[in-house]
Amino acid sequence: DIQMTQSPSSLSASVGDRVTITCRASQSITSYLNWYQQKSGKAPKLLIYAASSLQSGVPSRFSGSGSGTDFTLTITSLQPEDFATYYCQQSYNSPWTFGQGTKVEIK
Amino acid sequence: EVQLVETGGGLVQPGGSLRLSCAASGLTVSSNYMSWIRQAPGKGLEWVSVTYSGGSTSYADSVMGRFTISRHNSQNTLYLQMLSLRPEDTAVYYCARARDYFGSGSLSFDYWGQGTLVTVSS
Repeated sequence: DIQMTQSPSSLSASVGDRVTITCRASQSITSYLNWYQQKSGKAPKLLIYAASSLQSGVPSRFSGSGSGTDFTLTITSLQPEDFATYYCQQSYNSPWTFGQGTKVEIK
Repeated sequence: EVQLVETGGGLVQPGGSLRLSCAASGLTVSSNYMSWIRQAPGKGLEWVSVTYSGGSTSYADSVMGRFTISRHNSQNTLYLQMLSLRPEDTAVYYCARARDYFGSGSLSFDYWGQGTLVTVSS
């Protein structure tokens, strides 16, 4: 199975900050990497697919980059509604595995 | 608008069984890839199973041989039959539409239900 490792596990940031979350795969997954946002008590929401493609309806302050084993989710100008937990997921092969999550908290 | 509504969760003893349902509207279950994903309390996400539009299925090793995914096409409903339940199966179970954006077998999960909680405990 492909292992996905996110860093950091949590971070504190202020509204307006630029936030970067990293995801590393245990082997090359080319660009088969997705990002999700999950708010407390809610289902996850797809933000980014194929490493850098923005899902319909997702604000442009979210962006993704990377290929191979190293990927990044960036939120420019963090908004109050962005405080949540973020997960990466590899879509290279089954079983489809997720990172352990990064919790973005209010500073 | 796509809606997925899971039902069937609850408290069950170890070794027991449960069947989860996911009623879909706004999409046709039979013509989509549909998946179950779970989340143990306070933990991350774990993919459980997928059924492809052609009828083939796939499972995580942790549930292989105990869980069965199926569809009722006329009721537009996805199911997860869970047997021989273990305490480590305790989780919120989500159904989700699995989309293959590039036709390469690469799955992303773009529509999710609200989840149903399964608790396995004596």
